[in-house]
This record gives sequence, C-alpha cells and structure tokens, in this order.
Amino acid sequence: GAVVSQHPSRVICKSGTSVKIECRSLDFQATTMFWYRQFPKQSLMLMATSNEGSKATYEQGVEKDKFLINHASLTLSTLTVTSAHPEDSSFYICSAPREGVNTEAFFGQGTRLTVV
Amino acid sequence: AQSVTQLGSHVSVSEGALVLLRCNYSSSVPPYLFWYVQYPNQGLQLLLKYTTGATLVKGINGFEAEFKKSETSFHLTKPSAHMSDAAEYFCAVTSAGSYIPTFGRGTSLIVHP
Repeated sequence: GAVVSQHPSRVICKSGTSVKIECRSLDFQATTMFWYRQFPKQSLMLMATSNEGSKATYEQGVEKDKFLINHASLTLSTLTVTSAHPEDSSFYICSAPREGVNTEAFFGQGTRLTVV
Repeated sequence: AQSVTQLGSHVSVSEGALVLLRCNYSSSVPPYLFWYVQYPNQGLQLLLKYTTGATLVKGINGFEAEFKKSETSFHLTKPSAHMSDAAEYFCAVTSAGSYIPTFGRGTSLIVHP
C-alpha cells in the first residue's frame, strides 16, 4: 500500500533556530501534500497545502514566513519552522493523497517538535 | 461545508466489552467517511472508510462502522475490546475529489483490564 514517510519523528531545538521536517511519498507521486499541526489532546489543524512546482497555499492565520514549505519534487515536501519559539512546540503531521477512484490521503508518522 | 461531531471525548470500556465510538457528520454533498486511529506520538492510521456501496464497512483490527444516511451517522464498533485498542480515534469526512478531510475532535478510548 501507499506509504508516506516523515522525518524526523522527534526533534528538540533551541529557541531562535530553524528546523526542517521532511515528508516523502515512498511508492507514489504526490503533486500535492498537506501539513497539519496537532495540539495536545486536540484534532488536526490544516496549516497549508504544498504544491509541487508552485507556492504553498496557507490557511488563514498561519504565518507563511514562519512555516516555510517547499515541494521540491513529486515525492518530497519540506516544512521549515524558522526562528522557532517554545510556542511552536507541537506535533506536525503531513499527508499525501494518492489520486484515484477512492479519495484517500495517507499520513506520515508525525514529528514531535520541542523548542527549548 | 462539512463538519464532524464525535460524542464523548473519552470512552472507557473493560477488556472484552463492546466498543462504540459515535460520529455524526454534516455534509451538503455525498460524504466520504473515515475512521483513523492514532497512538501516542504517531501519525494517523486508517481503520476503515466509506465511499460508496455497502453501508456496513469492515476495517482492520476487528473494527467496523455503518453509514446511516438518515441519521447522518458513522459510528465505529468493535465486539470485544482489547488492551491494544487504547488510542485516540478520529472520525473524518470529505467528499469526491477532495483530499482534505474535516476531522472530528477525537475520542480517547480507554480499555480497562
């Protein structure tokens, strides 16, 4: 089946530094990928839609300069949290749809970001 | 617009007991419905989905759900809970051509020995 791989699974960084999270579709091509943020004990909040070869589309209230998204190829999207602060600590999850008859997006394993 | 309501943020059952997690949806177009499970610090794993056809859907780990259009519901059940079922469960709705599910707030399933 389709697999989406997210890396790293956990990262701890210092305030003011930047962190890059990768999302790869392993056995299919994804022109679109999605980035979510999940706060403790809450549901997933869509942050942005990553589009291969063009700019990402951000949801209202999401700072595009804080959360840089690059969709460099048909199998890779990256989310960079720039100048991270403790309030950016969260669980970040990506998903990638496999286009076909049945609409379904496959989710990565998630990345636990802790900013200290 | 679409929305999902999961009744009960926590459901507690004894091992071997019936599991019932409730999900009601709102959609102006024919819905595609999903149940996902999330273990701590992990991504979402698809349990089952309904798109078209048979309204009783069987998924992995012994779970099943029934799409009831008249009740706008898609409740998740399992006849006998196992300790390993303890996790967070999310119901989600989307529609044909959309890859962005609208998620419910999640239900934490607690299984007691």
